[in-house]
Amino acid sequence: KNEVEQSPQNLTAQEGEFITINCSYSVGISALHWLQQHPGGGIVSLFMLSSGKKKHGRLIATINIQEKHSSLHITASHPRDSAVYICAVRSGGGADGLTFGKGTHLIIQP
Amino acid sequence: DAEITQSPRHKITETGRQVTLACHQTWNHNNMFWYRQDLGHGLRLIHYSYGVQDTNKGEVSDGYSVSRSNTEDLPLTLESAASSQTSVYFCASRAGGSTNEQFFGPGTRLTVL
Repeated sequence: KNEVEQSPQNLTAQEGEFITINCSYSVGISALHWLQQHPGGGIVSLFMLSSGKKKHGRLIATINIQEKHSSLHITASHPRDSAVYICAVRSGGGADGLTFGKGTHLIIQP
Repeated sequence: DAEITQSPRHKITETGRQVTLACHQTWNHNNMFWYRQDLGHGLRLIHYSYGVQDTNKGEVSDGYSVSRSNTEDLPLTLESAASSQTSVYFCASRAGGSTNEQFFGPGTRLTVL
């Protein structure tokens, strides 16, 4: 069973700061997902990675397959970025659903 | 636009009652999943299906069942609801292939009294 650890669990920052959220996993994977969940809201997929780096607007996600580690970065953070960010992995075999980290609760203060 | 919907969005029921949560997707995805989300545990896989007539148990399947009679729907049934099943339930779907994106429904908040 893949173990997914996220850090930090909680993060409060000022508007404009550069944000980094980390995710590590224990077993090789076929894909890693970064998800966003606003309070009381649904879950939105931000990125799906199997190697390298992806960028959407102010969001950047990287993955190092050898080190079993991924990071999500937010540049020029804004209060609307306040949400829970969840890392999830899909292992290569066995159960085909995702295994999730417990999430990082991010608050961006104006 | 293609979408994935869940109903009801909120449900209160009593211990021992049978409850069915609906999930419907118009993506024509073969793969569908049910997760529950609880404080301190994050999201956990309950059941999943690779296609019509296929169902598989996930990490926390005890007390739950699913059926897949068509591509669009994967209803989740709690045979005899327990207070431990109070949670937020998310349905998701994904096209076939190892690296396809997974889409989530809006969630159903279930309270078992």
